[in-house]
Amino acid sequence: DAKTTQPNSMESNEEEPVHLPCNHSTISGTDYIHWYRQLPSQGPEYVIHGLTSNVNNRMASLAIAEDRKSSTLILHRATLRDAAVYYCILRASNNAGNMLTFGGGTRLMVKP
Amino acid sequence: DTEVTQTPKHLVMGMTNKKSLKCEQHMGHRAMYWYKQKAKKPPELMFVYSYEKLSINESVPSRFSPECPNSSLLNLHLHALQPEDSALYLCASSQEWAHHEQFFGPGTRLTVL
Repeated sequence: DAKTTQPNSMESNEEEPVHLPCNHSTISGTDYIHWYRQLPSQGPEYVIHGLTSNVNNRMASLAIAEDRKSSTLILHRATLRDAAVYYCILRASNNAGNMLTFGGGTRLMVKP
Repeated sequence: DTEVTQTPKHLVMGMTNKKSLKCEQHMGHRAMYWYKQKAKKPPELMFVYSYEKLSINESVPSRFSPECPNSSLLNLHLHALQPEDSALYLCASSQEWAHHEQFFGPGTRLTVL
């Protein structure tokens, strides 16, 4: 399985943008890039996914490098509620279906 | 209703007990999942059900026995567990097995004495 590498932790100030990086140098052409986050004492929550093009939704933006070997999750304006562990996950788009293999994740701390 | 519910929230059991975890969703999703999460570690996939049939078993020991009685309900039957099985057990669902977004429940925190 292709793996992802993320920083263990990052810190941000409230109301500032946050850029969470993810390296996936062994990504294959059919792997989707997924992001989930897990708030304290909760189950993971889907954030966004993409294949090749940048993606935006109400929660975040996903910027994918042209060679697809890295991606960045962008939170446009961090709030205290965004403090969570953010997981970058590669998901194969073959018959394996939706099997998520979580990596270590990045713990985001948001300072008021 | 966009919620996955799990009961109980907490469970303490002895190694000789038999207990069950329950997961329910009413979003019409046809794929359901069990994950295990040890403290300060990421979730690990255990089982996948698609249209009430077991599709994936990630080499989980037989002391964990999943069951999908209908499209809204997923159970995990526990028997003869070990203390190292203590963890947060998370249930998730998605519209179809291939659908991208999974919805997770809050989990059941299990302690095995």
